[in-house]
Amino acid sequence: KQEVTQIPAALSVPEGENLVLNCSFTDSAIYNLQWFRQDPGKGLTSLLLIQSSQREQTSGRLNASLDKSSGRSTLYIAASQPGDSATYLCAVYGSGNTGKLIFGQGTTLQVKP
Amino acid sequence: GAVVSQHPSWVICKSGTSVKIECRSLDFQATTMFWYRQFPKQSLMLMATSNEGSKATYEQGVEKDKFLINHASLTLSTLTVTSAHPEDSSFYICSARLRNYGYTFGSGTRLTVV
Repeated sequence: KQEVTQIPAALSVPEGENLVLNCSFTDSAIYNLQWFRQDPGKGLTSLLLIQSSQREQTSGRLNASLDKSSGRSTLYIAASQPGDSATYLCAVYGSGNTGKLIFGQGTTLQVKP
Repeated sequence: GAVVSQHPSWVICKSGTSVKIECRSLDFQATTMFWYRQFPKQSLMLMATSNEGSKATYEQGVEKDKFLINHASLTLSTLTVTSAHPEDSSFYICSARLRNYGYTFGSGTRLTVV
């Protein structure tokens, strides 16, 4: 059974700092991995999608890497801003492309001005 | 592109009544939609998978008669919470998957049953 873990559960940093969010999964036979952002009381916004054949994806100040063999992904946020404050969720597609997303518990990030 | 529009964004209803939540894919066809429930400070819990033109597939422990899902067209899926009770109060979110683009989510519906 696939399990996804995110560390840390919460993180508070001063504005401008670079930071790394971690995601690990137990079954390396994933189809894709996706990082999302959720603001309080809102839906999920997709940040980056890493397909199983890829090692990393970049969008603006965000960079996500994927190492299937070790069951790890990281989300790197450069030059953090107060507007980056949100909960970040990592999710993998179940093995065998079942279509179901399996989520981690999320990392709640606070960037202080 | 790839927008899922979810309505209403919030709803308050009396105990015993039914509430319908709609999710529409605005610029693509969604043969499959996923419905999630989220409790405060917790991650999303998959409730069911709706498939256009066929019965929904429910996750273990989810009451089919309580949470009615209909996917009558390629652009519309609905979740009806029947005979709602306070314990059904939660945040409900729908999602669709696009090939090569991953999952896209609706904005969520906050249901409060009083």
